[in-house]
Amino acid sequence: DTAVSQTPKYLVTQMGNDKSIKCEQNLGHDTMYWYKQDSKKFLKIMFSYNNKELIINETVPNRFSPKSPDKAHLNLHINSLELGDSAVYFCASSQPGRDSPLHFGNGTRLTVT
Amino acid sequence: QQQVKQSPQSLIVQKGGISIINCAYENTAFDYFPWYQQFPGKGPALLIAIRPDVSEKKEGRFTISFNKSAKQFSLHIMDSQPGDSATYFCAARAGFQKLVFGTGTRLLVSP
Repeated sequence: DTAVSQTPKYLVTQMGNDKSIKCEQNLGHDTMYWYKQDSKKFLKIMFSYNNKELIINETVPNRFSPKSPDKAHLNLHINSLELGDSAVYFCASSQPGRDSPLHFGNGTRLTVT
Repeated sequence: QQQVKQSPQSLIVQKGGISIINCAYENTAFDYFPWYQQFPGKGPALLIAIRPDVSEKKEGRFTISFNKSAKQFSLHIMDSQPGDSATYFCAARAGFQKLVFGTGTRLLVSP
């Protein structure tokens, strides 16, 4: 009964390739997010969708493109992968309330060689 | 102004001791201050949160202390246990804006 699930858990690929990470939540939340966590553990928001509508788009290279087919799913597609894209990518979801906690998935560790 | 400064970067505490992690902010519009706990290989999870109208909130062994005038807040873990070893993130949010995370503190509780 995983609340926020991401696939794959690990992704190893070469520079220049295109890859996708999928995320699904079964909590009935309206808002979903993508976060990037680098090797120093810094957590940085990338995107946020509310009911399939993009509401936060941080300064992220346009090689990163999120897509939300419905409010339970938020996928992340990355084109022309670079070494610097290596990180752990977390999907999260929340209800719209001000104090609503974020529920994170267990992350996808992306390694670009 | 959107930053939340967290210290220390890492912390080693003996079992049974008190772990203290500090955070400071500049944005006076911040009105929600949660702490997240992250175990290796897992995503962060909400541990405890506070709003600025109270100076302290306690849940079990975990306490948030909040100093509005100093724009600082801290997490105290009493009777620290090896199972508390994790990375802790403070965070802050202004209204419905995005959550801003601190840089994280790696806590190791030695047996």
